[in-house]
Amino acid sequence: SYVLTQSPSVSVAPGQTARIPCGGDNIGSKSVHWYQQKPGQAPVLVVYDDGDRPSGIPERISGSNSGNTATLTISGVEAGDEADYYCQVWDTSDHPVFGGGTNLTVL
Amino acid sequence: QVQLVQSGAEVKKPGSSVKVSCKASGGTFNSYTITWVRQAPGQGLEWMGGIVPIFGMPNYAQKFQGRVTITADESTSTAYMELTSLTSEDTAVYYCARGAVGQNPLPNLYFDYWGQGTLVTVSS
Repeated sequence: SYVLTQSPSVSVAPGQTARIPCGGDNIGSKSVHWYQQKPGQAPVLVVYDDGDRPSGIPERISGSNSGNTATLTISGVEAGDEADYYCQVWDTSDHPVFGGGTNLTVL
Repeated sequence: QVQLVQSGAEVKKPGSSVKVSCKASGGTFNSYTITWVRQAPGQGLEWMGGIVPIFGMPNYAQKFQGRVTITADESTSTAYMELTSLTSEDTAVYYCARGAVGQNPLPNLYFDYWGQGTLVTVSS
């Protein structure tokens, strides 16, 4: 089964740029989706198909995908961006795979 | 706008079963995949299975094969997830989510709407 690897935590100062990587074998050949989950809440889709944003998601949240790493980038980080972030792809064995999640801390 | 509203929290004894519902509104229920994902305390997201109501054929994660049953009632736009032979390891928040088709190459689904979650606690 396909495996997605995420760092457990990323810390960034307010106003800076946070980059959250998601590693997988030749992940650049797949579409990667990203979810934000705040404590006690359901996940929210923030990026789909590598870099598209659902309506209502600010432009400072973006995604990229190449080679063996997909990256979620949050520019001008705010306190409200503190959350867990999960990457997800669809495995060839016909089911979704989630990364283990990265906790973003705003210092 | 699409909403998925789940049934309330449950407390179950080990060895028993739980059935969680997920009622959809504001969209076309029948042709979208409804997926169930669970999250144990302090852990990540774990896919359990899904169903496309119009086809009625569920797809289960191997880990839950034989213990989980996912169904959908088109007449009420409601999906159900039943999990049997519960143990303390099944204590988790259970989410339903709607699957949307992404870009090629297919298959490629992402989850654009989520229910609020249902806490299932398994305790003697």
